[in-house]
Amino acid sequence: GENVEQHPSTLSVQEGDSAVIKCTYSDSASNYFPWYKQELGKRPQLIIDIRSNVGEKKDQRIAVTLNKTAKHFSLHITETQPEDSAVYFCAALVSGGYNKLIFGAGTRLAVHP
Amino acid sequence: EADIYQTPRYLVIGTGKKITLECSQTMGHDKMYWYQQDPGMELHLIHYSYGVNSTEKGDLSSESTVSRIRTEHFPLTLESARPSHTSQYLCASSVTGTGGEKLFFGSGTQLSVL
Repeated sequence: GENVEQHPSTLSVQEGDSAVIKCTYSDSASNYFPWYKQELGKRPQLIIDIRSNVGEKKDQRIAVTLNKTAKHFSLHITETQPEDSAVYFCAALVSGGYNKLIFGAGTRLAVHP
Repeated sequence: EADIYQTPRYLVIGTGKKITLECSQTMGHDKMYWYQQDPGMELHLIHYSYGVNSTEKGDLSSESTVSRIRTEHFPLTLESARPSHTSQYLCASSVTGTGGEKLFFGSGTQLSVL
């Protein structure tokens, strides 16, 4: 079946450094790739998304890149801050009878002051 | 304010009890979902619905059941709770926008079965 693999499962960086999280998807027909951030004890929230007709999208310190040929996409966070510490989930939209989002297993990011 | 609401926030019950986790959304979304998640871990889809009277099982086998009689309401029921059901249950709804499916999550119900 369709799946999304996410790496690394944990990531520890110093404040100010960059962080990169990578995901690979299996369904070549997927055309939408969102990223969700879940802070400790809170609900996941959408932080950025990208469609397949775009190779890169940026929003302030976060950016997402997409390589459709290789079927992988990445989240880049620059100038990390302690409030970036959270679990990040990538997802891919799988088309079928009904569209469905398939989530990666999550990456726990810790930003140390 | 348009949002997605889950009650109760926390629930501690004994084995064998029947429970219903409530989820309501005031955003007018057709699609709703239930995810099971241990704290900070993977999101497991257990049920989803694409409209009234439509329910489907998700990727993770679950002994729970759902119903969708009204657009805004998507309750999840466990007929006989067991300790293995201890987890966080997240409800979500989604809207199909330009190019994608944006999910909005509730705050979750943390269930502990003793």
